Amino acid sequence: GENVEQHPSTLSVQEGDSAVIKCTYSDSASNYFPWYKQELGKRPQLIIDIRSNVGEKKDQRIAVTLNKTAKHFSLHITETQPEDSAVYFCAPGAGNKLTFGGGTRVLVKP
Amino acid sequence: DGGITQSPKYLFRKEGQNVTLSCEQNLNHDAMYWYRQDPGQGLRLIYYSQIVNDFQKGDIAEGYSVSREKKESFPLTVTSAQKNPTAFYLCASSTLGQSEQYFGPGTRLTVT
Repeated sequence: GENVEQHPSTLSVQEGDSAVIKCTYSDSASNYFPWYKQELGKRPQLIIDIRSNVGEKKDQRIAVTLNKTAKHFSLHITETQPEDSAVYFCAPGAGNKLTFGGGTRVLVKP
Repeated sequence: DGGITQSPKYLFRKEGQNVTLSCEQNLNHDAMYWYRQDPGQGLRLIYYSQIVNDFQKGDIAEGYSVSREKKESFPLTVTSAQKNPTAFYLCASSTLGQSEQYFGPGTRLTVT
């Protein structure tokens, strides 16, 4: 099955700085690469996704980059704000089946 | 919050009892999923279903059972065979193919 790793497991940044989280996966059949955000006690919500025919996608302060050859993709958050504090999960998959990484806890310090 | 609901929010059971968690969606999604989340960890797939009356095991199906008799509903039964049932259970739904999964609010199950 798919083996997914996220790094780092925790990330503390100063408000206004950038944050980068990397996700590596093992299954070359994976063709869908989403990132989910989960605030404390709440449900995960999709924040951005990318498909394997695209190398980069941006949505305001959030971007995802994909390197399919090396089997990794990254989440980039610029100009971080306190409301960005949460746990972020990558979840690469093929078809309908996703495999979630262990999560990265991001803390944005004001 | 509408779209996908789970009940109850908190559930307490004694060891040795089976318990059924409810999941309902009105998004007209074909696919539904059950995940388990333990403290400080990611989500692990228990079962998923892409069509009524059909479902597949995920990565940690042992000790769990599901049914999909209606498109809108995908209940999960945690049986007494599940060794460590205490966890946060999340249900999700999506359209078929590479698409966003929408999550319910979750059920926190405690077994003592």
